Amino acid sequence: SYVLTQPPSVSVAPGKTARITCGGDNIGSKSVHWYQQKPGQAPVLVIYYDGDRPLGIPERFSGSNSGNTATLTISRVEAGDEADYYCQVWDSSSDHPGVFGGGTKLTVL
Amino acid sequence: QVQLQESGPGLVKPSETLSLTCTVSGGSISNYFWSWIRQPPGKGLEWIGYIYYSGSTNYNPSLKSRVTISVDTSKNQFSLNLTSVTAADTAVYYCARASGSFGTKFCDYWGQGTLITVSS
Repeated sequence: SYVLTQPPSVSVAPGKTARITCGGDNIGSKSVHWYQQKPGQAPVLVIYYDGDRPLGIPERFSGSNSGNTATLTISRVEAGDEADYYCQVWDSSSDHPGVFGGGTKLTVL
Repeated sequence: QVQLQESGPGLVKPSETLSLTCTVSGGSISNYFWSWIRQPPGKGLEWIGYIYYSGSTNYNPSLKSRVTISVDTSKNQFSLNLTSVTAADTAVYYCARASGSFGTKFCDYWGQGTLITVSS
């Protein structure tokens, strides 16, 4: 099955830019979706179709996808952005298409 | 606003069957894929499987022999059965709606999750 690789942790100072990567074989040919999960809460979709934002998600959240790496970028990071972030693809060629990355813990210093 | 709510027993004995129901409100269950996703304590998300409102299903190969997902459109509900559970099945179980087109799906609405503990 398709494998998505994320760094376990990323740290960033408030007001700076955080970049969380998601690696996969030719991931640029797939649509990548991103979720934010705060402790004790359900995941929340923050980016879909590589770079689209659902209603209510700040413009500070953006996404890109090319080659073997997709990236979630959070600009002007705030303390409230501290959370786990998961990437996800739908691998139509697989017998089980729904795949999540292992997750990245974003720490705001 | 679509809302999902999981229901079921929080404690299941080893070797028994875990049964959960997800009730969808604020929208129809028709024309969407509906998923079960779980998260063991301190770990990442694992897609268990999904069902289309018409009844077609897809299961994670690692769980396929033990999983059944069904849908009741008259009640706007879908359900999960996981047989022969062990401690490794202890997790928060989420139901979610899978939306999208162009050959991809993403989960735009989630239930709050329910912790299922497997223990005697």
